[in-house]
Amino acid sequence: GQQVMQIPQYQHVQEGEDFTTYCNSSTTLSNIQWYKQRPGGHPVFLIQLVKSGEVKKQKRLTFQFGEAKKNSSLHITATQTTDVGTYFCAGARDTNAGKSTFGDGTTLTVKP
Amino acid sequence: NAGVTQTPKFRILKIGQSMTLQCTQDMNHNYMYWYRQDPGMGLKLIYYSVGAGITDKGEVPNGYNVSRSTTEDFPLRLELAAPSQTSVYFCASRSTGTHYNEQFFGPGTRLTVL
Repeated sequence: GQQVMQIPQYQHVQEGEDFTTYCNSSTTLSNIQWYKQRPGGHPVFLIQLVKSGEVKKQKRLTFQFGEAKKNSSLHITATQTTDVGTYFCAGARDTNAGKSTFGDGTTLTVKP
Repeated sequence: NAGVTQTPKFRILKIGQSMTLQCTQDMNHNYMYWYRQDPGMGLKLIYYSVGAGITDKGEVPNGYNVSRSTTEDFPLRLELAAPSQTSVYFCASRSTGTHYNEQFFGPGTRLTVL
């Protein structure tokens, strides 16, 4: 079956440093979504990427979708303590099939 | 809108007991999902539904059952609870008709089986 792998599993940074998490799929994706889960909370949707090579920005967050639509990355510039949490990617092979496969997430801790 | 609601928030079961986790959404979403999240891990899909009367298995369906008699409700049934089912369970929903796959998650049910 489809596998979605994320690295690293954990990342500890000093406040102000940058952070990147990478997502790789074993199959070509129709789209990929990114979610953030705060400690003790539930996943919250951040963004969806659909097009090959797509780049989207949300303030300090930059999301990329690879040319082959098999990998993606999330980059946070100048981390803040509010960025703490686990970031998940979720890849869908077929939009109409209704389901996505989640990676195991990257947990970010930020030292003030 | 309340979004996606789940009950109960917490539950402790003994081995062999059964229970139903409730999930309701008020956004008129056709797609609904049940995930489990083990400590430090990602979300594993248990079952999903693309509309009332239609359900399908996800990655880890064994030991669980679902039904979808209405658009709003998608209960998850655990029969003969086992310690391996100790986890946090999330229900989610999303709309159809667009290519936007945003899933809205409920607050989760933390289940312990002893």
